[in-house]
Amino acid sequence: DTEVTQTPKHLVMGMTNKKSLKCEQHMGHRAMYWYKQKAKKPPELMFVYSYEKLSINESVPSRFSPECPNSSLLNLHLHALQPEDSALYLCASSQEDRGETQYFGPGTRLLVL
Amino acid sequence: AQSVTQPDIHITVSEGASLELRCNYSYGATPYLFWYVQSPGQGLQLLLKYFSGDTLVQGIKGFEAEFKRSQSSFNLRKPSVHWSDAAEYFCAVGAFSGGYNKLIFGAGTRLAVHP
Repeated sequence: DTEVTQTPKHLVMGMTNKKSLKCEQHMGHRAMYWYKQKAKKPPELMFVYSYEKLSINESVPSRFSPECPNSSLLNLHLHALQPEDSALYLCASSQEDRGETQYFGPGTRLLVL
Repeated sequence: AQSVTQPDIHITVSEGASLELRCNYSYGATPYLFWYVQSPGQGLQLLLKYFSGDTLVQGIKGFEAEFKRSQSSFNLRKPSVHWSDAAEYFCAVGAFSGGYNKLIFGAGTRLAVHP
């Protein structure tokens, strides 16, 4: 099974709201990722967690706050977002963070009003 | 610097025709190579990957790709395209860049299929 699940599928939020995106995998992978994808563009890496520790933050604004409660779960907390943050947010996981195959979830479509 | 180039932004083929999507990479060592497909509003699905060994790799949905070191290419092929293959295709390299391992994506090729 190579499934990564993400909830919610769609999210609309105002600029003063606080919301969270959730990602889950049960493949025993030890690396998990958050990507942001704008229309007609490839995914852009935001964060990498390796063995439940944040290993990479690609200079993401602090209004995005990742959390890895355990090896199967990854959250992305959102606060005070801007309309330009509207995008598809993708979660992925891989066995380790050594460049191996990443398996992606279906994404959360976020609209910030 | 490591990079991935997909020269064709948009390709249109007729259903039943053959398909080749081009991918060129720039990387000092032998990289891990991937092709992903993305339907509108969906996540990325892995089509196939190359790590080592046989340079012709088979993937899902009847796709194959050939790694050519001399040309730094990893082109994706399918002998007969189906209407359901219409999607965005991303070539990616798993490479050590900026101090850590990451996926470096090409810009993508959008495939349209005419009936």
